[in-house]
Amino acid sequence: NAGVTQTPKFQVLKTGQSMTLQCAQDMNHEYMSWYRQDPGMGLRLIHYSVGAGITDQGEVPNGYNVSRSTTEDFPLRLLSAAPSQTSVYFCASKRQDNQPQHFGDGTRLSIL
Amino acid sequence: AQKVTQAQTEISVVEKEDVTLDCVYETRDTTYYLFWYKQPPSGELVFLIRRNSFDEQNEISGRYSWNFQKSTSSFNFTITASQVVDSAVYFCALSENKAAGNKLTFGGGTRVLVKP
Repeated sequence: NAGVTQTPKFQVLKTGQSMTLQCAQDMNHEYMSWYRQDPGMGLRLIHYSVGAGITDQGEVPNGYNVSRSTTEDFPLRLLSAAPSQTSVYFCASKRQDNQPQHFGDGTRLSIL
Repeated sequence: AQKVTQAQTEISVVEKEDVTLDCVYETRDTTYYLFWYKQPPSGELVFLIRRNSFDEQNEISGRYSWNFQKSTSSFNFTITASQVVDSAVYFCALSENKAAGNKLTFGGGTRVLVKP
């Protein structure tokens, strides 16, 4: 039972480069989301999806794009990386109701 | 808008001491859910408890206990007889029933350091 799988675990980018963080879940959860974790600020919601084909912005969406073509996958795209996007990124999924979210192990991203 | 405040950024205790983590929340929704997550040094996020707004009963799970008080908008977490393995960052989080997708709002986290 893999749960929520994030790849890669670590990545270093140069300013201006683009990249996609992958997230996949095998629990048939409708709801998926991306958070970033910065020191002292907890986790902040970037984008979320309530089902395939439906996405919406969270608290800090600027600089990030998402799509949800299947129930299982929810990739996060950085079109032009900036140093301010250096962070740890977590993907999560849950059923549509208020059940606990299941988190991936995170992706540590550094932008130079 | 929903908001979660964890005023304690870091707590240091000696093993076997009790430690209480404070969590205060703000919401306009009458139906909401509160959560606690643990993030050990390895980095993953571990779900600890979920409580809905209609259930104010305190809960105990082993050395962990939670005190939910709607009157003060607080959902505090106590670790009894702390152990070194309890060293982690603990997050309190809130989900409003009316929020689209039941979005989760996190507090800033409290780092607990348990010294042997």
